[in-house]
Amino acid sequence: DAGITQSPRYKITETGRQVTLMCHQTWSHSYMFWYRQDLGHGLRLIYYSAAADITDKGEVPDGYVVSRSKTENFPLTLESATRSQTSVYFCATVDKGSGPQHFGDGTRLSIL
Amino acid sequence: QKEVEQNSGPLSVPEGAIASLNCTYSDRGSQSFFWYRQYSGKSPELIMFIYSNGDKEDGRFTAQLNKASQYVSLLIRDSQPSDSATYLCAAASGSARQLTFGSGTQLTVLP
Repeated sequence: DAGITQSPRYKITETGRQVTLMCHQTWSHSYMFWYRQDLGHGLRLIYYSAAADITDKGEVPDGYVVSRSKTENFPLTLESATRSQTSVYFCATVDKGSGPQHFGDGTRLSIL
Repeated sequence: QKEVEQNSGPLSVPEGAIASLNCTYSDRGSQSFFWYRQYSGKSPELIMFIYSNGDKEDGRFTAQLNKASQYVSLLIRDSQPSDSATYLCAAASGSARQLTFGSGTQLTVLP
C-alpha cells in the first residue's frame, strides 16, 4: 500500500521555468492538500481540493496552479518559478475532511 | 488571519522526564487539533488529535484542549531520546478542515 507518493523527491531548476510537482494517492481520499514548509514558518497551505475538479486557494496561493482531473492525482505547477518558491513541498490527504491528514514524503525544490 | 502560536523552544529535557509542549490558536471556529512529530528531513507524522475539551491519552502522550482559553498542549511522559524532533501543532477549520500550523517546537531529550 503506497499511500501517498510525491515526485520528484528533489528538483533543481532556474528562475522563470515551469515546474510541476506530482502527488498521487492510492487511498481514494476525497481531500488533498499542498503545503510548503520554510524555516521559521511551519507548514503553510497553498491549495486544496475537496474532490475531482474542485479546488480552492489556501493561505499562500500566488504563483501556483493546481488541477485535479482524477481523484488520485493532485499536481502543483509553478508557472514561472521564482527564488522565493524554494522550499519543501508536502502533499497531504484526508478522507471526507474529518480526520487527521496524512503526508507524503515531500519534494525539496531549489530554484536558482 | 488564522494563527497558531507555539512556544518557540528549543526545549531540552532529560531522559525519563515529562516534556510539555504548548500551543494557542486564534480562530474560535477551529474544530479539531493535531500534534505532528517531524524528524529532520522527514515528513510530519501524526502523534495525537483531539476534538473535545479535556484530556486524551495515548500511551506516553496526553493531549489537552481548553477551547475557552484557545489552548492546546501535548505532554510526553517518560521522554526518550527517540522523541527528539520538532513538534507541530495544527488547528483545523473550514469546510475541508484545512490545517493552520504553528512554526513548531524543537524538543531534545538528553540521555
